[in-house]
Amino acid sequence: AQTVTQSQPEMSVQEAETVTLSCTYDTSESNYYLFWYKQPPSRQMILVIRQEAYKQQNATENRFSVNFQKAAKSFSLKISDSQLGDTAMYFCAFMNRDDKIIFGKGTRLHILP
Amino acid sequence: GAVVSQHPSRVICKSGTSVKIECRSLDFQATTMFWYRQFPKKSLMLMATSNEGSKATYEQGVEKDKFLINHASLTLSTLTVTSAHPEDSSFYICSARGAGGEKLFFGSGTQLSVL
Repeated sequence: AQTVTQSQPEMSVQEAETVTLSCTYDTSESNYYLFWYKQPPSRQMILVIRQEAYKQQNATENRFSVNFQKAAKSFSLKISDSQLGDTAMYFCAFMNRDDKIIFGKGTRLHILP
Repeated sequence: GAVVSQHPSRVICKSGTSVKIECRSLDFQATTMFWYRQFPKKSLMLMATSNEGSKATYEQGVEKDKFLINHASLTLSTLTVTSAHPEDSSFYICSARGAGGEKLFFGSGTQLSVL
C-alpha cells in the first residue's frame, strides 16, 4: 500500500526566513505525481506545487521549490522568504495510477511576524 | 484556473435526517470526482471515487448505504449522508479532475453538524 509520511506535525519560523517541510512516501510504482497542497484557515485546498516522477528536474513555483529524491522517495518543500500569508496546514500528496490522491497527515506551519 | 463549486458550505441538521451536498465543476468536464472527509486538525481521508455514469467506488470502511454518491453528469456529483448521526459530523470536501489531467481542483468544503 502506498503511504505518505510527514514527520513534522508543526513548525514555526520568522517572517522572511526559509523553511523546509519534509515528506517521504512509499510506492512500488515507477511513474506517479507528487503534490504539495496548502490549506489555510478557510480550509480551501490550494495546490502549491506538483512534480512528475519521471522528471528529474525539481519543480519551482516562485518562492516554492521542491527537492525530489526519487531513489530515497523523498519530496520536501522549501518556502523561501516566508510571508505571513504562508501560515497554513501543508499536505504532501501522492497520486497513484488509479488517480487517487493519498495525503500525508500534514504539517502546520506558523509564520511569525 | 478551474473552479469547483461546493454547496452548501455549512449545514446543521437533526439526527435521522438526510443531507445532500453538491459538487459542480463550473468550467470543465469532470470525468472523475472524489469525496473526502476531514476531521478537525486531521488529514483528508478519501471516501469514494465517482466516475460519470457509473457507480461510485468506495474506500474500505466507508458505508455505501450511508454515503450515497451520484455522478449523473460531467459537471455534477452529489453526496447524500442518509440518516445522519452526530458521528457523521465532519468537514466534507469534493475534488474534480478533467479527462487526461493530473490536477485535482477542490471545492471549498461543507461543514456538516448533526445535532
